[in-house]
Order: sequence, then C-alpha cells, then structure tokens
Amino acid sequence: QSVLTQPPSASGTPGQRVTISCSGSNSNIGSNTVNWYQQLPGTAPKLLIYTSNQRPSGVPDRFSESRSGTSASLAISGLQSEDEADYYCAAWDDSLNGPVFGGGTKLTVL
Amino acid sequence: EVQLVESGGGLVQPGGSLRLSCAASGFTFSSFSMNWVRQAPGKGLEWVSYISSSSRTIYYANSVKGRFTISRDNAKNSLYLQMNSLRGEDTAVYYCARVLNSAARNDYWGQGTLVTVSS
Repeated sequence: QSVLTQPPSASGTPGQRVTISCSGSNSNIGSNTVNWYQQLPGTAPKLLIYTSNQRPSGVPDRFSESRSGTSASLAISGLQSEDEADYYCAAWDDSLNGPVFGGGTKLTVL
Repeated sequence: EVQLVESGGGLVQPGGSLRLSCAASGFTFSSFSMNWVRQAPGKGLEWVSYISSSSRTIYYANSVKGRFTISRDNAKNSLYLQMNSLRGEDTAVYYCARVLNSAARNDYWGQGTLVTVSS
C-alpha cells in the first residue's frame, strides 16, 4: 500500500492529452514539492518534472505538472508512442521522515 | 557525463547479508546527497535510505531500519548499502540515485543491481 495514491493505469491515443493524478496528505504533498518520474520498460527511472514545471534537460514541454492541496497531477499533451511507460509521483513525507512514492501508473498509448 | 554503477547484488539465503556498492563518476560526489531506492519484481518504487553529502544526516525506511546501513566514502566516490538479516521481501532491484536538493528528487540513477533472497 503506497502512501501516495495513483491510478494503476491510464491510456490515450496519439495526439491526445492525458493526466495522471497523485493523491497524498498534509504531511507529504500538502507541504512539500512533488516530483514525477518516468520509467520506460526495462530501464531505470528518470526524473521527468518537478516544482513549477521544472524539467531536466531533454524533457519536452509536452509534460507539465500541477498541485492543489494534497493532490498533484501530471499532464502529457500531444501524446506519443514513446510516452508509453510507468509514471511515479514522489514527495518528502514529514511524518515518515523520508521520501514516499506513488504506486505508479502504467500509461498505454493506443 | 554523470554515471552511477551499482554492484554487489546476487542470490542470498534468508537471514544472510550482502553489501551493495555504487561507483559514482562525472560529478563532484562529495557535494551531493544520495539515495538507495528499490523495486521488487513487477512492483513500484520504494525508497530505502538517504545519506547527506557529509554523512551527517542519514534516514532509513521503516521496512529496513535496524537491518540496513548506508555509508559513503567521498575519497573513493562510492556509496554503500550493508544489508543484514535479509528477508524474502527484500528481493528487488536496488538503485543508487543522486539527490537534487530534495531527498524525493533524484536526477540521476544507476542501472540497478538485483538482490534475490531465497533458499
């Protein structure tokens, strides 16, 4: 049981916009920044986006993030086949004194 | 180019021990905090342990507290995870990851090393 809650799956067709939610509590998302990771099949996770839509070099601006209260969302616009991957949210948890992850969302591009 | 290379994984019996290493290159290792994060087969990511750049601050997940010990040698650009009293639920790919400002933000990851705990 993950501390942060994500839907197990999401899907969309090429060109569509999809969103992935991440629900937490006051001790994590409610008071700390949220980070999103992308994990392509068989590879290590990759930092995708974080606070105020900051993206590491090479990550396209089709990816955006938002946060409201104790929930956060990752949005992917202009969906592409190479976006098919697992997506994880993560945040520091003040109660647990450590980072917590969501259970992950498997994105399928139809 | 930033590189993180884990080693030391393998098959170990329940109750056994294993020491993982992570060799860092391409950046000033002594300036960055580091994490160990694991992923059980077919499962999601789970944070394991954090160590600050100077080793002054260390955190562990409740699931490994008292059994695992994180350490680093800045002179050797290396990160370690000593794992004792291993259990079946510790079976996972273990990644070392560089921390970017926040312990929940890891901007570089190694390729991972598989630890299998089984008799």
